[in-house]
Amino acid sequence: KNEVEQSPQNLTAQEGEFITINCSYSVGISALHWLQQHPGGGIVSLFMLSSGKKKHGRLIATINIQEKHSSLHITASHPRDSAVYICAVFNNNDMRFGAGTRLTVKP
Amino acid sequence: DAGVIQSPRHEVTEMGQEVTLRCKPISGHDYLFWYRQTMMRGLELLIYFNNNVPIDDSGMPEDRFSAKMPNASFSTLKIQPSEPRDSAVYFCASSLLGQGNEQFFGPGTRLTVL
Repeated sequence: KNEVEQSPQNLTAQEGEFITINCSYSVGISALHWLQQHPGGGIVSLFMLSSGKKKHGRLIATINIQEKHSSLHITASHPRDSAVYICAVFNNNDMRFGAGTRLTVKP
Repeated sequence: DAGVIQSPRHEVTEMGQEVTLRCKPISGHDYLFWYRQTMMRGLELLIYFNNNVPIDDSGMPEDRFSAKMPNASFSTLKIQPSEPRDSAVYFCASSLLGQGNEQFFGPGTRLTVL
């Protein structure tokens, strides 16, 4: 079993829909990172969380340390949000990555 | 700032050859990370440096891989000898104050070992 599990693996949505991507982990962590990988391969950091909730534009990330779970929400989704979203957890000197969620937003 | 710079962007080499990947972090960042991404294994942390000193290289797959950071503005990842299973995209990222802080990724180097 992977230490970091993401769901769903693939997600197709219509433009304007509210989207949720989930990340569950089994190890103790000091922080959790959400990354976005564009179709061209480039990686962008979206959020770094150690507790609570963060918001940036249409993106919201939450984390529940007790439940070892984080969610990434996208409101009013747009085709340009189409990408792979990757969850990464930090524990001391170690990092573990989820397999990613491939999001496709159709116009 | 130009962001994290990696070179080359693409490298094709033959099995057994030495490969050197290069990275220039964002000026002022004190952490530098090397990652590898493959279809089979996804993203993996290979090694990271703090103030030019390697902190954790437990992700380096084997002795054929080595990484150096001779100064704050330059790092290399070397594979010698290269093997076809080393084919992957190698990303470099830098951050300020630690792995738990936002990281800025370079565009990656796509390595193909024939």
